[in-house]
Amino acid sequence: GQSLEQPSEVTAVEGAIVQINCTYQTSGFYGLSWYQQHDGGAPTFLSYNALDGLEETGRFSSFLSRSDSYGYLLLQELQMKDSASYFCAVRDEGSASKIIFGSGTRLSIRP
Amino acid sequence: DTGVSQDPRHKITKRGQNVTFRCDPISEHNRLYWYRQTLGQGPEFLTYFQNEAQLEKSRLLSDRFSAERPKGSFSTLEIQRTEQGDSAMYLCASSPTSGLTGELFFGEGSRLTVL
Repeated sequence: GQSLEQPSEVTAVEGAIVQINCTYQTSGFYGLSWYQQHDGGAPTFLSYNALDGLEETGRFSSFLSRSDSYGYLLLQELQMKDSASYFCAVRDEGSASKIIFGSGTRLSIRP
Repeated sequence: DTGVSQDPRHKITKRGQNVTFRCDPISEHNRLYWYRQTLGQGPEFLTYFQNEAQLEKSRLLSDRFSAERPKGSFSTLEIQRTEQGDSAMYLCASSPTSGLTGELFFGEGSRLTVL
């Protein structure tokens, strides 16, 4: 089976940098994605890593190490609007079209 | 706006009643997904369609749940004989077949409360 693990909660200060980790177990691997979800809102896609290394999109970066089955989302220059839940997700081992989500990390930003 | 739309946004029903949710995906997207999400948890996969074909259904899904996408456009998710444990947000998402990242575009969800 597959599993994804990420911390349930993270707290950080406005303007700081925070890293949200994700470890996964899957027999097949097609890539690691990250989604953001504000309270009451829909999940929205942030990033995707298929290969090892760092992908940067503005204040957000995502890293993948396939050998360690590990990835992280890095958020820089934190703003209050970044307070949300963040989910890592992988494509299913048996079907690249089926996407499985972790249980999410709730990020709280303090002034 | 031509994003994913879901209807109704909220549904309150009594235990034992049937409910149906509708999802209209982004028009050019071939893939359509249904997920269920409860408070503090990530979206849980229920089923997905490639055009009108239902390619996979979660083993967690009881036979009270059924989904259709008759013409490869909109989809419906029906829950029969609802139970209190069915209370959740039901999310629909779509994606293009050609998408390299597998990015899912989610609707705002249909919140179900079973009394």
